[in-house]
Amino acid sequence: EPEVTQTPSHQVTQMGQEVILRCVPISNHLYFYWYRQILGQKVEFLVSFYNNEISEKSEIFDDQFSVERPDGSNFTLKIRSTKLEDSAMYFCASSEGRLHASGNTIYFGEGSWLTVV
Amino acid sequence: AQSVTQPDIHITVSEGASLELRCNYSYGATPYLFWYVQSPGQGLQLLLKYFSGDTLVQGIKGFEAEFKRSQSSFNLRKPSVHWSDAAEYFCAVAPGGFGTASKLTFGTGTRLQVTL
Repeated sequence: EPEVTQTPSHQVTQMGQEVILRCVPISNHLYFYWYRQILGQKVEFLVSFYNNEISEKSEIFDDQFSVERPDGSNFTLKIRSTKLEDSAMYFCASSEGRLHASGNTIYFGEGSWLTVV
Repeated sequence: AQSVTQPDIHITVSEGASLELRCNYSYGATPYLFWYVQSPGQGLQLLLKYFSGDTLVQGIKGFEAEFKRSQSSFNLRKPSVHWSDAAEYFCAVAPGGFGTASKLTFGTGTRLQVTL
């Protein structure tokens, strides 16, 4: 079964450093997402991306964050000047289309655990 | 804005016993509803989803869920739990209707422990 793959699985970074989390979505999918889960809290939506631009973003997704699809297969999340509170599991996800009556589903990767020290 | 409530933070059941995990949502129209499972160190795996039609939906691993509009609920059930079902279960909702966003809103999760 096709799957979303994420690298790295775990990264430790010093506060103030920049981090890039990488994702390879499922190959025929057109919509890409980042979610995050702070330890002990719910999974939160960060951003959705379609046709090489952001289609929706949450209030969490401020200027510190950016996303990019640098080539035909990768989808990245960049976090500039990391803060302690950025420590979380970051999930990449993809779907073939939008969630409407056609029944598209969002498939998640296994996550990248980011620890900011 | 939509929201999801999972009232039970932690549930323990014996292997072979039945299971029901509760999920209530708040949304003005008919939402799209999902249950995901997260095993330790794993990502989020889709168990089942409801978009329209039959309110009782079947999923993988023997799980089912029933959409009850009158109660704004989408409870997850399994008639006989296996030790391998121990995991965290998340209910999620997305806005329904064509042209709306694909953003999922998750509940806080229910951690299931299975005793032998």
